[in-house]
Amino acid sequence: KAGVTQTPRYLIKTRGQQVTLSCSPISGHRSVSWYQQTPGQGLQFLFEYFSETQRNKGNFPGRFSGRQFSNSRSEMNVSTLELGDSALYLCASNAGGRAVNTEAFFGQGTRLTVV
Amino acid sequence: DQQVKQNSPSLSVQEGRISILNCDYTNSMFDYFLWYKKYPAEGPTFLISISSIKDKNEDGRFTVFLNKSAKHLSLHIVPSQPGDSAVYFCAARRENAGGTSYGKLTFGQGTILTVHP
Repeated sequence: KAGVTQTPRYLIKTRGQQVTLSCSPISGHRSVSWYQQTPGQGLQFLFEYFSETQRNKGNFPGRFSGRQFSNSRSEMNVSTLELGDSALYLCASNAGGRAVNTEAFFGQGTRLTVV
Repeated sequence: DQQVKQNSPSLSVQEGRISILNCDYTNSMFDYFLWYKKYPAEGPTFLISISSIKDKNEDGRFTVFLNKSAKHLSLHIVPSQPGDSAVYFCAARRENAGGTSYGKLTFGQGTILTVHP
């Protein structure tokens, strides 16, 4: 079974630009969550999508958005990039639904650098 | 408000000995706890988990202990191996109304484990 796939692995953008990151979850998994990892803040939850609906959101500005498609693949978008958005963005998939004790499996991440 | 804390930024252990990584939490609504191992520039790798209704879970060299009254959990690695050297994250999930399992995890800041040969 293939794991969680994130593309691209590395990205360099200029301040003010926007960026779209992609995540393909494990086959059969319906929940996709996004996290931002920075040296100062650790792993911070951005949002979670389940069955194409956002069902949980972290404390990030509206510049951060996401969506999920019918095949469970998800994208996150960051508009008007700031230098502080430089981070490792991680996607996690789990079975979701009413499965109580489920683990989240992470992709390799996308390293975004804003210059 | 940091609800999950790993107070030791680093831990150094000799190969073959026990590694004990600690984690404290403040939110009594957390119902499921997980440990992840992470290398730089890679995604976290799931190690072991424990439900709040249990106090111990074991998987090979890894054992997680949960003390709900103290809001404390620990990960024991026995015996420690040089390949275990990585950053270890404790994560917690909060129970939601209706009993559904949401994907949001709250992470600690991580502990760097170094196992010396």
